Parts: sequence; structure tokens; C-alpha cells
Amino acid sequence: SYELTQPPSLSVSPGQTATITCSGDKLGGKYACWYQQKPGQSPVLVIYQDTKRPSGIPERFSGSNSGNTAALTISGTQAVDEADYYCQAWDSSTWVFGGGTKLTV
Amino acid sequence: QVQLQESGPGLVKPSETLSLTCIISGGSINSYFWSWIRQSPGKGLEWIGYIYYSGSTNYNPSLKSRVTISLDTSKNQLSLKLTSMTAADTAVYYCARGAKGIAPSGATYYFDSWGQGALVTVSS
Repeated sequence: SYELTQPPSLSVSPGQTATITCSGDKLGGKYACWYQQKPGQSPVLVIYQDTKRPSGIPERFSGSNSGNTAALTISGTQAVDEADYYCQAWDSSTWVFGGGTKLTV
Repeated sequence: QVQLQESGPGLVKPSETLSLTCIISGGSINSYFWSWIRQSPGKGLEWIGYIYYSGSTNYNPSLKSRVTISLDTSKNQLSLKLTSMTAADTAVYYCARGAKGIAPSGATYYFDSWGQGALVTVSS
């Protein structure tokens, strides 16, 4: 089965750029998306189709996907961005999640 | 704005069957993949399975033998049944709407709406 790998944690200072990676075999040939989940809350879609932001998601969130790695970049990270982030892709008619990255700001 | 609301027993005994429902309101059932996803305490997200609005289903291979997902379009109600529950099935269970988009390099799939989640504990 297809697997997506994320670093368990990342720590950045306020105002810095945070880049969370997601690795999978030939992931660049698929589309990736990203969810933000704050404690006690449901996940929220922040990036879909590699680079697109849903309505209401701040411009500081951006995405990329090439080769075997997708990335979520948060520019000018704010304290409110502290959360768990999950990547997701579709493979063989199944939805696959990465293990999640805890972002500390 | 679609809204999803899960409901079901908060406590299930080992070996019993879990039954959860999700009421879908404020949006169309059509053209979406209606899914269940769970999250064990302190752990990541695990996709359980989906039912397409047309009725076709697909399940996570690791759970396939124990899972049934159904959709009652007359009631806008999504259901999950998970048999032979064990402590390892203790989790928050989410229902979610899966969307399919057409993109330059093919189709793109993502969950654009989630319920608030239902905590299910397996204990005698």
C-alpha cells in the first residue's frame, strides 16, 4: 500500500518560514493536499491540488509538489498556526494520509 | 455550506459492533465521496472507507473485513458499521465529504468538509 512520510515535529519562531515536507513514491505524479488540525478540533483543508488555497485560508499558506516530495510552506508564521498538519494523496482508489507533523511556533 | 453531524454510542464493549451515523445537511449528496476517518488518541488520521453517491464503496484494506458503509439518500444519512471492536478501535470517528476535482494532470481528491467527530471508547 502507498505510504506518505512526514517529520513528526517542526519548531519555528514567529515570523519565520515553516516548511513541512511529505514524501512518497512518485508523489509528484499525484496531487497532494494538506490539513491543519488544532487540539480538540476537526481537520481543516488548507491546500488542495498541490498549490490551491480554499476560500478563507490566508495567503501565507502555500504548497508545492515535485519528484517524491510535497511541501507546505507557511510564510511569516504566526502563533495561531501552531497545530498538527497532515498531507494526503489519492492512490488506487484509496485516500492516504501522512503521519502528521506537529508545528510549534 | 454543508454541515456534517456524527452521532452514536460513546462506549462499546469488546467484540461488539459499532454503529455510527452522520447527518448531512446544507448541501447536495451528489458527486461526492462520503467517507469515514478515525483518529486514535494522540495519533494521526486513518481513512476507513467511502461510499460514492452512486453507491459504490471502497475500504481501507486493513479494516475491509470488518467495515460496512452505507448511504441513505432519502434521509441524507451516512452510516458506519464496524464489527468485532477491540481497544485498538478506540478513536474519534469523523465523517467527511470527499471531493474530486479535475486538474491539468488528472483528478485531484480531497476532503473539503468534516464533522465535529464522535469519540468512541471500547471497554467492558
